[in-house]
Amino acid sequence: EVQLVQSGGGLVQPGGSLRLSCAASGFTFSTYDMHWVRQATGKGLEWVSAIDTAGDTYYATSVKGRFTISRENAKISLYLQMNSLRAGDTAKYYCVRVSTWSKYFDLWGRGALVTVSS
Amino acid sequence: EIVVTQSPATLSLSPGERATLSCRASQSISSYLGWYQQKPGQAPRLLIYDAFNRATGVPARFSGSGSGTDFTLTISSLEPEDFAVYYCQQRANWPIAFGQGTKLEIK
Repeated sequence: EVQLVQSGGGLVQPGGSLRLSCAASGFTFSTYDMHWVRQATGKGLEWVSAIDTAGDTYYATSVKGRFTISRENAKISLYLQMNSLRAGDTAKYYCVRVSTWSKYFDLWGRGALVTVSS
Repeated sequence: EIVVTQSPATLSLSPGERATLSCRASQSISSYLGWYQQKPGQAPRLLIYDAFNRATGVPARFSGSGSGTDFTLTISSLEPEDFAVYYCQQRANWPIAFGQGTKLEIK
């Protein structure tokens, strides 16, 4: 089955760190650009970060310098290392695949809830 | 950074009516705009890519138009399952940006 299985969400104190993981299955992971998109409860979608097939990375201004996206093709996995977390980072984080033909988001994980609170 | 603005924030219509949703980019993005539909508790679903191309399996009642800075998503005759939140997204430049969403609700 073609899917993205996420893990790693949870409650963390302000200033803390958390690592999200996303395991791909059913497709050739190494040939797809991958992204993270977040959504605070009741709010809209916010793009967070991307990594392309060459390993080049891109970040939203709000997370640059604090978050690091990475991938391990051998483990068919995507990661998001989040440091210096703030209350404003509280959201559901989606692991997302980019379609090779449309170049838009065509496969989403179920999301991992990250809550930053003391 | 490109800012993407959607209007209206909420649109109240009845089944069978025509819906027109707007998306405006702060600078030209050519045709690099997509539309997504999100229902409660679900991940977004791609409807339209590159301004006017329907994604696989999307009904013909959904259509997209526009280029440059102004874009429109039209639903020709609303079905009950179309009431949801719709987002546009630009991919012309980094950082990628979504609009804030339009909630399409039943009148």
